[in-house]
Amino acid sequence: KNEVEQSPQNLTAQEGEFITINCSYSVGISALHWLQQHPGGGIVSLFMLSSGKKKHGRLIATINIQEKHSSLHITASHPRDSAVYICAVGGNTGNQFYFGTGTSLTVIP
Amino acid sequence: NAGVMQNPRHLVRRRGQEARLRCSPMKGHSHVYWYRQLPEEGLKFMVYLQKENIIDESGMPKERFSAEFPKEGPSILRIQQVVRGDSAAYFCASSPPSLAFYEQYFGPGTRLTVT
Repeated sequence: KNEVEQSPQNLTAQEGEFITINCSYSVGISALHWLQQHPGGGIVSLFMLSSGKKKHGRLIATINIQEKHSSLHITASHPRDSAVYICAVGGNTGNQFYFGTGTSLTVIP
Repeated sequence: NAGVMQNPRHLVRRRGQEARLRCSPMKGHSHVYWYRQLPEEGLKFMVYLQKENIIDESGMPKERFSAEFPKEGPSILRIQQVVRGDSAAYFCASSPPSLAFYEQYFGPGTRLTVT
């Protein structure tokens, strides 16, 4: 079993839809990242959070430490949001970073 | 302030050759991390280095792979005698000494193809 599980694996949405991507983890963490990876591209860190909620433009990330769960929301989705979204957690022991396998999002015009 | 830089972005090697991947951390960053993303798989931690020191190499394959981060110059991930299974995207990330390891900034990656 992976330390980090994401759902769904693939997601197709119409432009303008509200999108939610979920992440559950089983290890004790010091922080959680949401990362974005465009096809053939590099990785961009969208959020780093250890509690509560963060908002940046149309993106919102929340984390519930007790339930070991985080969600990434995209409001008013746009085709340029099409990418793979990866949840990554920094463990609270050692230097380990655990990654989910990613959610592939396609937003159709 | 330039971000984390990796080169080359794409590298093609024949089986048995050596691959050298370079990572220049962000200015002021002294911690470097290497990750590998195999096709259809998630990212996996390989190694964590500080200047002239390997701190954690628990994710590195035992043979053919080595990493260094010299006092001057970029961090190098070296793969000797490459095999087809080494084909992957290799990402590095860096963090400044004053922040925890999870405050990492990622590079664009090097895509290695072994033919």
